[in-house]
Amino acid sequence: GENVEQHPSTLSVQEGDSAVIKCTYSDSASNYFPWYKQELGKRPQLIIDIRSNVGEKKDQRIAVTLNKTAKHFSLHITETQPEDSAVYFCAASNTGRRALTFGSGTRLQVQP
Amino acid sequence: NAGVTQTPKFRVLKTGQSMTLLCAQDMNHEYMYWYRQDPGMGLRLIHYSVGEGTTAKGEVPDGYNVSRLKKQNFLLGLESAAPSQTSVYFCASSYATASGANVLTFGAGSRLTVL
Repeated sequence: GENVEQHPSTLSVQEGDSAVIKCTYSDSASNYFPWYKQELGKRPQLIIDIRSNVGEKKDQRIAVTLNKTAKHFSLHITETQPEDSAVYFCAASNTGRRALTFGSGTRLQVQP
Repeated sequence: NAGVTQTPKFRVLKTGQSMTLLCAQDMNHEYMYWYRQDPGMGLRLIHYSVGEGTTAKGEVPDGYNVSRLKKQNFLLGLESAAPSQTSVYFCASSYATASGANVLTFGAGSRLTVL
């Protein structure tokens, strides 16, 4: 089955700096890669996703890049703000098995 | 429009007791999932369903059973609870877009403690 590894497990940045979270996946059939944000005590919520036919996708301060050859994808957050503090999860799935396999999460702390 | 509703929100069990977690969605989603969340281990898939009357095993199915008798409901059962099943359980449902994306909507979670 799919295995998704995520690094780092914790990340602390100063407000205004950029943050990068990286994930690798094992199943070459995976073709859908979402990122979820979970604030303390809340449910995970989708923030951005990318399909395997696209190398990069941006949404305001958030971007995701995908390298299919190397089987890794990354989340980039620019101009971080205190409200970006949360746990971020990457995930992967394929058209045949739609259930998402999640990474272990990254706790991002943005220091004011 | 409630989205995904989980009951109960909190439960304390003794080892060996049984219980059922209920998940209900009102979005007419085909797919439903049960995940457990433990510190440092992310969200691990227990069981999932691709439609009414179907179920499939995920990464960590042992000790759990599920049923999806109605499209809107997905039940997770623990027949004989163990301390290792202490966790936060999340139900989710999803639809597949025409582009192949699979957007999950999560419930608020159910915190289960097994003593």
